[in-house]
Amino acid sequence: DVKVTQSSRYLVKRTGEKVFLECVQDMDHENMFWYRQDPGLGLRLIYFSYDVKMKEKGDIPEGYSVSREKKERFSLILESASTNQTSMYLCASSPASRAAEAFFGQGTRLTVV
Amino acid sequence: AQSVTQLDSQVPVFEEAPVELRCNYSSSVSVYLFWYVQYPNQGLQLLLKYLSGSTLVKGINGFEAEFNKSQTSFHLRKPSVHISDTAEYFCALVENTGGFKTIFGAGTRLFVKA
Repeated sequence: DVKVTQSSRYLVKRTGEKVFLECVQDMDHENMFWYRQDPGLGLRLIYFSYDVKMKEKGDIPEGYSVSREKKERFSLILESASTNQTSMYLCASSPASRAAEAFFGQGTRLTVV
Repeated sequence: AQSVTQLDSQVPVFEEAPVELRCNYSSSVSVYLFWYVQYPNQGLQLLLKYLSGSTLVKGINGFEAEFNKSQTSFHLRKPSVHISDTAEYFCALVENTGGFKTIFGAGTRLFVKA
């Protein structure tokens, strides 16, 4: 089974802190994604990566950055956390085929106070 | 630009009743279509997908969906629901040209009542 593992299930951070969310997949997938999930808005794509050291902005990249130094790991960085970044963050991976489904981690519920 | 619209934000239904969760999409190119389910406090998992061929697609847990190109719809159905089907359901698309972005709908919360 594909495993996508997010480093934390719950996280509480203070406004202005730099926050790192880590995601690791074990199936050698080329593509990795970060989404945020908010009630009534579904999943919105923050950033994605289709190869090591490659990254593309999604629909809501402002206030976030990413890093993909190794194929299996994709990190989301909140440069200076703000309360409007309180959300559920979901990491996903998929192989290099548009016909393939995405595999998701369990999610990280981040609260910024 | 491509988009996915789930027409119902919440669907309450009694156990053993049939259910339909509606999904419409918009895209200028052909697409692959997916339904995912999210149980409480979990990530999403795939229910079924339409790539090509037969427009009726069967998935896990007794769910099926029908692709209708003329109506740009991909509605999800189950003839008899169980309490355990209570979850949030997401319709999604990937365009079969260009990048690998998956576009999700806003989700439909299915409540199955005893």
